[in-house]
Amino acid sequence: AQSVTQLDSQVPVFEEAPVELRCNYSSSVSVYLFWYVQYPNQGLQLLLKYLSGSTLVKGINGFEAEFNKSQTSFHLRKPSVHISDTAEYFCAVSRRGGSYIPTFGRGTSLIVHP
Amino acid sequence: GAVVSQHPSRVICKSGTSVKIECRSLDFQATTMFWYRQFPKKSLMLMATSNEGSKATYEQGVEKDKFLINHASLTLSTLTVTSAHPEDSSFYICSAPLRGEGGYEQYFGPGTRLTVT
Repeated sequence: AQSVTQLDSQVPVFEEAPVELRCNYSSSVSVYLFWYVQYPNQGLQLLLKYLSGSTLVKGINGFEAEFNKSQTSFHLRKPSVHISDTAEYFCAVSRRGGSYIPTFGRGTSLIVHP
Repeated sequence: GAVVSQHPSRVICKSGTSVKIECRSLDFQATTMFWYRQFPKKSLMLMATSNEGSKATYEQGVEKDKFLINHASLTLSTLTVTSAHPEDSSFYICSAPLRGEGGYEQYFGPGTRLTVT
């Protein structure tokens, strides 16, 4: 089984500042890793994913994440945030080569202040 | 990209009535779809796996008689909340997997906000 830990339930930040949302996972097998964004009263939108290859993954809206196998982490970063980035962010893992049902973290609420 | 729709986006119903939520894969076929429930400020909880042509698989603790799932075709799954109560009020999200590079990826619907009065 896999599990995902998002260490911060809420991250407040000022506009144009950099941000990092932390994600750690636990799994006995190789996994795929995902970050999703959810705007209020909407479904989930895929920001980026790591399947294989380069450990630095670039996604939409200027976000990127780095897979660190030794630290079992997949932190999400953005060098300069906008007000419109205010949303809930979910890290997820799914077992490589097997069940493709993602296991989600509890989410991190990113709050961007003007 | 792949699109998954849900209908309705928002529904208010009276306690004791039943509500049906539809999940459709618009431009691809899905033999399997997933239903999630999301409580306020909480993550998504997988409720069940909807299987086209066979019974749904429910997660532990989810009442199958309460949450009826029907996967009528390769593009449609429905979730019916029977005899709804206020504690069933929640945000329900469906997803459908599509095979891409490296494996399957989940595509999520926009969600349905259910309020039971």
